[in-house]
Amino acid sequence: SQQGEEDPQALSIQEGENATMNCSYKTSINNLQWYRQNSGRGLVHLILIRSNEREKHSGRLRVTLDTSKKSSSLLITASRAADTASYFCATEPGTGRRALTFGSGTRLQVQP
Amino acid sequence: DGGITQSPKYLFRKEGQNVTLSCEQNLNHDAMYWYRQDPGQGLRLIYYSQIVNDFQKGDIAEGYSVSREKKESFPLTVTSAQKNPTAFYLCASSIVGGSGTTYNEQFFGPGTRLTVL
Repeated sequence: SQQGEEDPQALSIQEGENATMNCSYKTSINNLQWYRQNSGRGLVHLILIRSNEREKHSGRLRVTLDTSKKSSSLLITASRAADTASYFCATEPGTGRRALTFGSGTRLQVQP
Repeated sequence: DGGITQSPKYLFRKEGQNVTLSCEQNLNHDAMYWYRQDPGQGLRLIYYSQIVNDFQKGDIAEGYSVSREKKESFPLTVTSAQKNPTAFYLCASSIVGGSGTTYNEQFFGPGTRLTVL
């Protein structure tokens, strides 16, 4: 089952612009994580936000979490061509199995 | 140089054959995971293991089998019962937090692309 669903599925912007991706989920969570995947490669962990946190920053990344709406957003500021990749949200459930459930991803294209 | 490795990078299988994908980690992680990724899609969980000699089915375990005889290794066998095995397979590992902890960052290998001929 796909717990997280990203929106939009694809996003194309110019270098220097900001990119915003959204993730919605269905059940209670312990935390929500964002990962990045370059084409044909493994995933790389970007940032984790716990269920009791509302906002978190890491470099040019800003993540927000609204547990009442069961949604999260990832903002990449001042994007670069090297940010071109697919971005996935993943949720760790509040109860039950200790494994992440990944969404379908947002494909980001940053034009130089 | 710590990390998680997968081999081979590319694998070709004839219909009716079983194949085994290797996953090794030297991060001293207790938990390991196998995911399947189809083109343009997210990751779906096949199997996961929180401790040696124990593993659980994920969302799409049918046609797959695993073993966890060593902490460092979590091989995945794609059996002939898997009707559509062509996909990109990703292995990951993580620490296991105790009850009440809330972090589960996963470290991924580079993946194995399996093609059925």
